[in-house]
Amino acid sequence: GEDVEQSLFLSVREGDSSVINCTYTDSSSTYLYWYKQEPGAGLQLLTYIFSNMDMKQDQRLTVLLNKKDKHLSLRIADTQTGDSAIYFCAESATSGTYKYIFGTGTRLKVLA
Amino acid sequence: NAGVMQNPRHLVRRRGQEARLRCSPMKGHSHVYWYRQLPEEGLKFMVYLQKENIIDESGMPKERFSAEFPKEGPSILRIQQVVRGDSAAYFCASSPFAERMNTEAFFGQGTRLTVV
Repeated sequence: GEDVEQSLFLSVREGDSSVINCTYTDSSSTYLYWYKQEPGAGLQLLTYIFSNMDMKQDQRLTVLLNKKDKHLSLRIADTQTGDSAIYFCAESATSGTYKYIFGTGTRLKVLA
Repeated sequence: NAGVMQNPRHLVRRRGQEARLRCSPMKGHSHVYWYRQLPEEGLKFMVYLQKENIIDESGMPKERFSAEFPKEGPSILRIQQVVRGDSAAYFCASSPFAERMNTEAFFGQGTRLTVV
């Protein structure tokens, strides 16, 4: 079935780069997304990538997509304490574009 | 534009009571989606509604859960006779068109339901 997997925790030092990884199973997904959830807040769409792209860069964020391995990663350059949050990977399910399949989320902790 | 507004932010209910969660979509959005986030899990799709219509409720539990999106007013997710397993964060999202859910959906802050 459709599933999205992420590691649960990541800890980095301020100023370093963070790389959050995600694997998915639905090879026919059209869009893949990264959402950020700060404590007590809703989900904020950070970025998304079309399945026919390999890379997308947006300021400090770089998304890499390896379709062969069904692997998605989010790199945050110059990580700041304000980047501490839970990062969710999600894909659009084949059964309907509104049915996102979310991973369990990766909790990023940035150490000062 | 105030964004997607959900209330209450936190809701505590005793087992057997009813929980009513409200979601006001962004202005101009007529498509509403509800998701549930159980502890230590990702969000799971529950239901998709347009004004006065349920389009897809394939993610809703078969019993005790219902949703509506009336012509006027917010969308309501209703849970009857709550049990401890219903404790979760319930998120609402809205989009202007179904086709734009991919890139133009906005999520609310969620309602955290605790059943004691």
